Amino acid sequence: AQSVSQHNHHVILSEAASLELGCNYSYGGTVNLFWYVQYPGQHLQLLLKYFSGDPLVKGIKGFEAEFIKSKFSFNLRKPSVQWSDTAEYFCAVNPDTDKLIFGTGTRLQVFP
Amino acid sequence: GAVVSQHPSWVICKSGTSVKIECRSLDFQATTMFWYRQFPKQSLMLMATSNEGSKATYEQGVEKDKFLINHASLTLSTLTVTSAHPEDSSFYICSARDLEDEKLFFGSGTQLSVL
Repeated sequence: AQSVSQHNHHVILSEAASLELGCNYSYGGTVNLFWYVQYPGQHLQLLLKYFSGDPLVKGIKGFEAEFIKSKFSFNLRKPSVQWSDTAEYFCAVNPDTDKLIFGTGTRLQVFP
Repeated sequence: GAVVSQHPSWVICKSGTSVKIECRSLDFQATTMFWYRQFPKQSLMLMATSNEGSKATYEQGVEKDKFLINHASLTLSTLTVTSAHPEDSSFYICSARDLEDEKLFFGSGTQLSVL
């Protein structure tokens, strides 16, 4: 079955630390890949997406993600996190036109 | 940016009653809206795809008669949880696909608690 795995359920960092959140998916065909963020009390927002082309994708707020096809991975990175990055992060895969399959999410807490 | 409004944001109801959740695209038209459910510490699971003017498409394992979906206009889809039971308590979230550019936007979600 198609699935998305996010290995880190809860990550705690200090400000200015570097961040990498793992995301692996299981689907053999062509996929579109997304990272969404949900700040406390707010709705899901799109951070970045990959459809094709350069596998290193840059998103909003200094986030980037790298699609590694051979590893079925789409890890999210940020060189230096801020307190305002505290949120829940969801990786999602779109194996066909309509469906989005989400990972279980990673809760990031950043302390000043 | 485009906004999807979801109401109510939280609701508490008695077992056996029905609850309606609304999902509106405020500044764009959406022929397709999606309904997801999220249990605590679990992933968002797609329940159904709502198509304007036609019947919704339900995912495997989702009861059509229990989760009634109506997508009567290009800006509104409703999810009605009929005869709710405590196991239906969950976080429900909708998303809408912009007809023009096919971007997907999410509502803020509805926390349903069935007593």
